[in-house]
Amino acid sequence: DIVMTQSPDSLAVSLGERASINCKSSQSVLYSSNNKNYLAWYQQRAGQPPKLLISWASTRESGVPDRFSGSGSGTDFTLTISSLQAEDVAVYYCHQYYGLPYTFGGGSKVEIK
Amino acid sequence: QVQLQESGPGLVKPSQTLSLTCTVSAGSISSDGHYWNWIRQPPGKGLEWIGYIYYSGSTSYNPSLKSRVTVSINTSKNQFSLSLSSVTAADTAVYYCAMNRWLGGLMRPIDQWGQGTLVTVSS
Repeated sequence: DIVMTQSPDSLAVSLGERASINCKSSQSVLYSSNNKNYLAWYQQRAGQPPKLLISWASTRESGVPDRFSGSGSGTDFTLTISSLQAEDVAVYYCHQYYGLPYTFGGGSKVEIK
Repeated sequence: QVQLQESGPGLVKPSQTLSLTCTVSAGSISSDGHYWNWIRQPPGKGLEWIGYIYYSGSTSYNPSLKSRVTVSINTSKNQFSLSLSSVTAADTAVYYCAMNRWLGGLMRPIDQWGQGTLVTVSS
């Protein structure tokens, strides 16, 4: 199994400030034949199912605000919220869909300072 | 946009079998390239992929649960189902049905989720 390790477990950021979450995979999720990283980021608000924010490590889904961005390649990835808004309070998960079984990081809780 | 809705008992006794159904609407469960998944989340914890099924009946399961899991599909009812045997308290979780698909020659991540249903294992 590909193990996904997120850090930090939680972070408190002031409104309008930047929040960054890291995700490390135990093996590369970069598929050499198409040069795509099979890495996604989800947002899960309290009591809700996860919502897909970013696929292919850095491609925002339709309707996702541009303050959310993803970066990284291979085994190391980052989700950045450039200017935290109140509605961004949630738990964020990274997810690899490179291989089976699909696996998720343990989650990073973002709160307002 | 495909909609998914889980249904089934909210309480299951230890050692019994947990059974859930996911009803797919606004789309066909037989759509080419669509994979129908089950994922669970224990209260306050992270996400665990259980397995998926394709409309042909082909399945893939998480090895950690494989000996206890069966996912089946009923194309005439546009439903797929989860069966988890010999449950214990550790199987208490919110269970989600979800979908991912091939698009443009690429397998996309899971991008459609049901609202989830809490299943508690307790006597």
